[in-house]
Amino acid sequence: DTGVSQNPRHKITKRGQNVTFRCDPISEHNRLYWYRQTLGQGPEFLTYFQNEAQLEKSRLLSDRFSAERPKGSFSTLEIQRTEQGDSAMYLCASSSGASVYEKLFFGSGTQLSVL
Amino acid sequence: KQEVTQIPAALSVPEGENLVLNCSFTDSAIYNLQWFRQDPGKGLTSLLLIQSSQREQTSGRLNASLDKSSGRSTLYIAASQPGDSATYLCAENGGSQGNLIFGKGTKLSVKP
Repeated sequence: DTGVSQNPRHKITKRGQNVTFRCDPISEHNRLYWYRQTLGQGPEFLTYFQNEAQLEKSRLLSDRFSAERPKGSFSTLEIQRTEQGDSAMYLCASSSGASVYEKLFFGSGTQLSVL
Repeated sequence: KQEVTQIPAALSVPEGENLVLNCSFTDSAIYNLQWFRQDPGKGLTSLLLIQSSQREQTSGRLNASLDKSSGRSTLYIAASQPGDSATYLCAENGGSQGNLIFGKGTKLSVKP
């Protein structure tokens, strides 16, 4: 069990470009979550998967954002036509899916800077 | 709208002191409350999780309490060390399948 892995750790892009982040959850964790954290703030929920099904999306997830978890294992988060306001830390978390009472385990995040 | 507030925003203490971090929440029907540690530029490390039916949880020098009736949780750190310097975040789970609501955190600095 190597924990939640996120790649890349840092991404610098120019406004208008598309970016994609990857998250590998803890092995056999059924639930996977994406959060966004801006400087000085707590993380904010973006979306959540139960296996390959995307079950909940925040209003923060505009139509430029898309997340997938095609085989119920790793997940990708794509941002199209990036804007400077997208600059943030994007955090992935996973949990076993056994119960709503369980602990979430977070990865180290992908720091996005949009120039 | 559910909100989580953490006070103080920043705290500086000398090494060896015992300290308390505060977290208040507006959701009276929480499922659980989780405390995290975050080092600069890094992800979150889970410290303690308290279920709604519990009053407290302990791990080493850390003790977290939960009072649902008053909407408060505290994280007690005993005999603080410079390595405890980090931002501490609390998050409440209102049952929305992992939609944790986070506070802004308390930035702790422990001076040697």
